[in-house]
Amino acid sequence: GDSVTQMEGPVTLSEEAFLTINCTYTATGYPSLFWYVQYPGEGLQLLLKATKADDKGSNKGFEATYRKETTSFHLEKGSVQVSDSAVYFCALSDRTDKLIFGTGTRLQVFP
Amino acid sequence: ETGVTQSPTHLIKTRGQQVTLRCSSQSGHNTVSWYQQALGQGPQFIFQYYREEENGRGNFPPRFSGLQFPNYSSELNVNALELDDSALYLCASSPPTSGRAGGEQFFGPGTRLTVL
Repeated sequence: GDSVTQMEGPVTLSEEAFLTINCTYTATGYPSLFWYVQYPGEGLQLLLKATKADDKGSNKGFEATYRKETTSFHLEKGSVQVSDSAVYFCALSDRTDKLIFGTGTRLQVFP
Repeated sequence: ETGVTQSPTHLIKTRGQQVTLRCSSQSGHNTVSWYQQALGQGPQFIFQYYREEENGRGNFPPRFSGLQFPNYSSELNVNALELDDSALYLCASSPPTSGRAGGEQFFGPGTRLTVL
């Protein structure tokens, strides 16, 4: 079945460092792809999305490009802040709108 | 605009008991999905309700059941609780155009269930 694989964390960075969190997927069709963020003690918030190949989702300085040829949707940010510390989940959605999540990657940013 | 709300925030039950969790969807959303998030894991899809009917189910046993009401709010019921049911239960709602929007869902803060 469909699945999502994320790099394991935690990812530990200093403020203003460059961030990459890898995400690859397996799907039989053409899913939509998402990055969700979960701050401590809170639910999930949609960070960005892409609905077709070569689409680039972006929000709050974060970007991810839907790469069909490598089945990837890596999350990047050029300069992280302490406030970006959270758990990041890559997810895909099939035609039923069911979301399939990766296991999450914890990001810790230090001043 | 009010977002997705869930109640209660926290709940402690003992093994074998039954529990009901509640979710109010975001205004204008007619689809509600429930997810179980075990500690340190990604959310797992339990089931989805659309216009008061179950519209897809994940790999969860029948003791996990649900309802959706005419106002699109929803309940998740779990019977015969087991220790492994301890998790954060997340509700998410989606608008009627979600299929064209690529399946975007809006999540509530979750209910933390502890089974002793």
